[in-house]
Amino acid sequence: GAGVSQSPSNKVTEKGKDVELRCDPISGHTALYWYRQSLGQGLEFLIYFQGNSAPDKSGLPSDRFSAERTGGSVSTLTIQRTQQEDSAVYLCASSIQGAGREQYFGPGTRLTVT
Amino acid sequence: DQQVKQNSPSLSVQEGRISILNCDYTNSMFDYFLWYKKYPAEGPTFLISISSIKDKNEDGRFTVFLNKSAKHLSLHIVPSQPGDSAVYFCAASDGTGANNLFFGTGTRLTVIP
Repeated sequence: GAGVSQSPSNKVTEKGKDVELRCDPISGHTALYWYRQSLGQGLEFLIYFQGNSAPDKSGLPSDRFSAERTGGSVSTLTIQRTQQEDSAVYLCASSIQGAGREQYFGPGTRLTVT
Repeated sequence: DQQVKQNSPSLSVQEGRISILNCDYTNSMFDYFLWYKKYPAEGPTFLISISSIKDKNEDGRFTVFLNKSAKHLSLHIVPSQPGDSAVYFCAASDGTGANNLFFGTGTRLTVIP
């Protein structure tokens, strides 16, 4: 009965480098979300995947951000040419479509861009 | 543009007393509201929710009240326990196909033993 898992838990990178963050959703959950929480802010929606449908990318802050979800399960969020303002906790959540609106979150990846 | 607002960044309450956490929203299309609890170094954990067709939902020590005309909801915890100390986030959904959640900035609750 594993929950949502994310890796790495912490990532420190130099400005300009690319990073990849991974999310393993709860088995059977068809919906997957990425959010980020910057210091002192609420959770900011980034991207949403639902089954085989085209993802909702409306929350991605720039074209340096992209995400994919392979086989309807694991998802990877990629940030290219990282900037200091990308420093945040990146949270992944999954949910069962139609089962209310509750989303179940992973522990997050804390990204620090130096 | 913050559509969900939690204007109190922190709240301290004595153990055994009632904790009241408040949340305001601006989007009249929101039709479902949730409260999440977050401990340090962990992801948010779902706590309780309420649909806009109701004005109250209760689950044990936790009750959420919704006042649609005021675009206001609150979470009551009674009696408060030290283990309730955490950051509480209010969230809302406007029922689009994405079921995207809009979050407030959180209120840090400290329950003093």
